[in-house]
Amino acid sequence: DTGVSQNPRHKITKRGQNVTFRCDPISEHNRLYWYRQTLGQGPEFLTYFQNEAQLEKSRLLSDRFSAERPKGSFSTLEIQRTEQGDSAMYLCASSLGGTGTDTQYFGPGTRLTVL
Amino acid sequence: QKEVEQNSGPLSVPEGAIASLNCTYSDRGSQSFFWYRQYSGKSPELIMSIYSNGDKEDGRFTAQLNKASQYVSLLIRDSQPSDSATYLCAVKGRTGTASKLTFGTGTRLQVTL
Repeated sequence: DTGVSQNPRHKITKRGQNVTFRCDPISEHNRLYWYRQTLGQGPEFLTYFQNEAQLEKSRLLSDRFSAERPKGSFSTLEIQRTEQGDSAMYLCASSLGGTGTDTQYFGPGTRLTVL
Repeated sequence: QKEVEQNSGPLSVPEGAIASLNCTYSDRGSQSFFWYRQYSGKSPELIMSIYSNGDKEDGRFTAQLNKASQYVSLLIRDSQPSDSATYLCAVKGRTGTASKLTFGTGTRLQVTL
């Protein structure tokens, strides 16, 4: 399977714990995006990388959230001191930046439940 | 005003009929428009992209774009029960700005037997 992969697929944690999610993009894609989706809503943009550079962060990304893409390949999203409001599906997408279309393809998502 | 607006539905159509899904957007400078399909509990799957005014057809799907009216639509011909899903409209900003997609809340489509 050469699509976007995400791990874990599900995560249940207690309030106050830290969690980390991983995303592996499509191999030749240089752009990687994180979105968050809650029930009944469309995905909301969190942040994106071009290669290893983090080029934009949403206001939604509080200081408890941090994302990295150290070698321009996989990315991690960490949430510190989780809150119940962090419960959501965290989606990763990748695209081949620099092309006219820059179409984003999504991974299967990580569903986070904060108890 | 929301940046991307969709009727949440549900939109119910009988099998074999045409389903028409609509989306409006607020940023007149938007350049790229996408339709994603999302089954319950799954991630969005790309259905169509459109960049120029007019129609774009791909199999049973036709995307329509009218930039003057800031309106995008998706037509699904010969609707099948497997088309029952939420359809998300996504808009990408003008060239040179961020690559992020802004999504509507989605329209839930139900295809009935």
